[in-house]
Amino acid sequence: GNSVTQMEGPVTLSEEAFLTINCTYTATGYPSLFWYVQYPGEGLQLLLKATKADDKGSNKGFEATYRKETTSFHLEKGSVQVSDSAVYFCALRRGNAGKSTFGDGTTLTVKP
Amino acid sequence: NAGVTQTPKFQVLKTGQSMTLQCAQDMNHNSMYWYRQDPGMGLRLIYYSASEGTTDKGEVPNGYNVSRLNKREFSLRLESAAPSQTSVYFCASSEAGGNTDTQYFGPGTRLTVL
Repeated sequence: GNSVTQMEGPVTLSEEAFLTINCTYTATGYPSLFWYVQYPGEGLQLLLKATKADDKGSNKGFEATYRKETTSFHLEKGSVQVSDSAVYFCALRRGNAGKSTFGDGTTLTVKP
Repeated sequence: NAGVTQTPKFQVLKTGQSMTLQCAQDMNHNSMYWYRQDPGMGLRLIYYSASEGTTDKGEVPNGYNVSRLNKREFSLRLESAAPSQTSVYFCASSEAGGNTDTQYFGPGTRLTVL
């Protein structure tokens, strides 16, 4: 079946540090890949997505590239801010009715 | 647009009680989903509805039932609550069931079963 493995957290960084959160997946065929972000007390919201190999998704300074050869979709940001503190989920969509499979989430805390 | 709304926001039940979680979306989406989120875990799919009039089991359906009341509304019912159902429940919708479609999530219902 499909699965998503995310870098274990929590991750604590200082403001303006470089961020990488690793995500690898297992799926048959060609899934779409997503990063969702969850702020405290809220639901998940889309951060970025990529729908085919070598696509790069980007939003709010975050980027991730769909690497089929390494089955990865790592999230990066060059300079994090305190407001980026949240839980980040990697997810894939593939198969019947486009059901999503989510990773366990990575908690990011950015300190001033 | 309100997006996806859920009621209630919080609920405390005793073991054996029943309740219905309500979800509505105003984006004219065809597909709707119910997930549960437990500490340190990702979201697990309980039930989904690919289109109005259809529902299917997800990864963890035991102890739950759903109703797709119309295109806008998708409710989740716990007939006899158990402590193992203590969780945060999220409703989501997407335009269709396509692999590229973004899911839009509600704010969640935090349920505690004593």
